[in-house]
Amino acid sequence: DIQMTQSPSTLSASVGDRVTIPCRASQSIGPWLAWYQQKPGKAPKLLIYKASNLESGVPSRFSGSGYGTEFTLTISSLQPDDFATYYCQHYNSNLFTFGPGTKVDIK
Amino acid sequence: QVQLVQSGAEVKKTGSSVKVSCKASGDTFTNHAFSWVRQAPGQGLEWMGGIIPIFDTTDYAQNFQDRVSITTDESTNTIYMELSSLTSEDTAVYYCARARGDLAGEIGFWGQGTLVTVSS
Repeated sequence: DIQMTQSPSTLSASVGDRVTIPCRASQSIGPWLAWYQQKPGKAPKLLIYKASNLESGVPSRFSGSGYGTEFTLTISSLQPDDFATYYCQHYNSNLFTFGPGTKVDIK
Repeated sequence: QVQLVQSGAEVKKTGSSVKVSCKASGDTFTNHAFSWVRQAPGQGLEWMGGIIPIFDTTDYAQNFQDRVSITTDESTNTIYMELSSLTSEDTAVYYCARARGDLAGEIGFWGQGTLVTVSS
């Protein structure tokens, strides 16, 4: 089975910072990776699909990159609304594996 | 617009079963893959399984293979998730989710979540 890892589990940053959130797959998954943002008490929200494609309506300060086993979510200038937990997810047809998440909190 | 509306919170006894429903609207029901994802208190997201109505195929995560059943009722555009042999570790918010595009792929739509509490 493919395992997804995210480290660190918590990342402290300030408004305006450039933030990079890594995600690693235990074996090559090609471009089949999505990123989600989740705030407390809310359902996750899709940000990025197929590693680097920005979901409609998502601010352009979010971007994704990577292929194979190493992926990154980048927030170019952190905004107050961006403090949340971010999950990477591998998908293969209708099979999914989530990473454990990285919480971005206020420094 | 696409909407997924889930049934209300449940309180269950250890060893019992729970069945959560999710009514989809706003798009052709059969052309999309649906999944169930759960989140225990303070924990991350865990995919449980999914179904593609047009192919009548289901897939289940290994952790739930023996205890979960996902079905659909195409006459009412509703997806169901039944989980049996409940323990306290099954206390979680259960989300219904749908693929962003046609057939399968990344999840683009989520229900509001259903809290299932299991106690003795």
